[in-house]
Amino acid sequence: GAGVSQSPRYKVAKRGQDVALRCDPISGHVSLFWYQQALGQGPEFLTYFQNEAQLDKSGLPSDRFFAERPEGSVSTLKIQRTQQEDSAVYLCASSLAGTSSYNEQFFGPGTRLTVL
Amino acid sequence: AQSVTQLGSHVSVSEGALVLLRCNYSSSVPPYLFWYVQYPNQGLQLLLKYTSAATLVKGINGFEAEFKKSETSFHLTKPSAHMSDAAEYFCAVTRTRPRANQGGKLIFGQGTELSVKP
Repeated sequence: GAGVSQSPRYKVAKRGQDVALRCDPISGHVSLFWYQQALGQGPEFLTYFQNEAQLDKSGLPSDRFFAERPEGSVSTLKIQRTQQEDSAVYLCASSLAGTSSYNEQFFGPGTRLTVL
Repeated sequence: AQSVTQLGSHVSVSEGALVLLRCNYSSSVPPYLFWYVQYPNQGLQLLLKYTSAATLVKGINGFEAEFKKSETSFHLTKPSAHMSDAAEYFCAVTRTRPRANQGGKLIFGQGTELSVKP
């Protein structure tokens, strides 16, 4: 595709519900990142994939958060038993290379999650 | 550990005036530095990046930034603001040699909202 796409763009969940957020990276991009952006804050790193391998999940705030990228392309971020503090914009980014950090990360438009 | 501080959560300038958005970083290793712009309801777009070549970096839309190691700064400037520059701007840092399991994850500042008055 032309860029990184995310779906849904907006999600409203009742507290305690499970949600799944999808990211379609740019075709051929090896690296995929998830970030969480709370209102009025900068994005914060959640997790990183290199192809299908989840190499870093140090930013996941709790064991209610789970991410996967089973075929090395599309990724899903799942949040179980959502809480109000999970309300944020979830950003997905992809980059062409693996460990090279100077490669640009291309960001999707984000999914805005509101937990009531 | 790495961190980024953006001074001023909100900056307002008149159209045609100089834009200066401040960013200071902390890093125990040589960093790569980035500026991203975010328009409402859109993802982040890369403005420019410093990757240890020239210290003065030119980006898109007339923006530029200068890496000053002695001041641990990477301030963003534009000589003449345009109405279309109104947006949120984020400074970010990453390691030049990330650990194998990190892939160059970005550490962002809190952001600076730029308003441009006609």
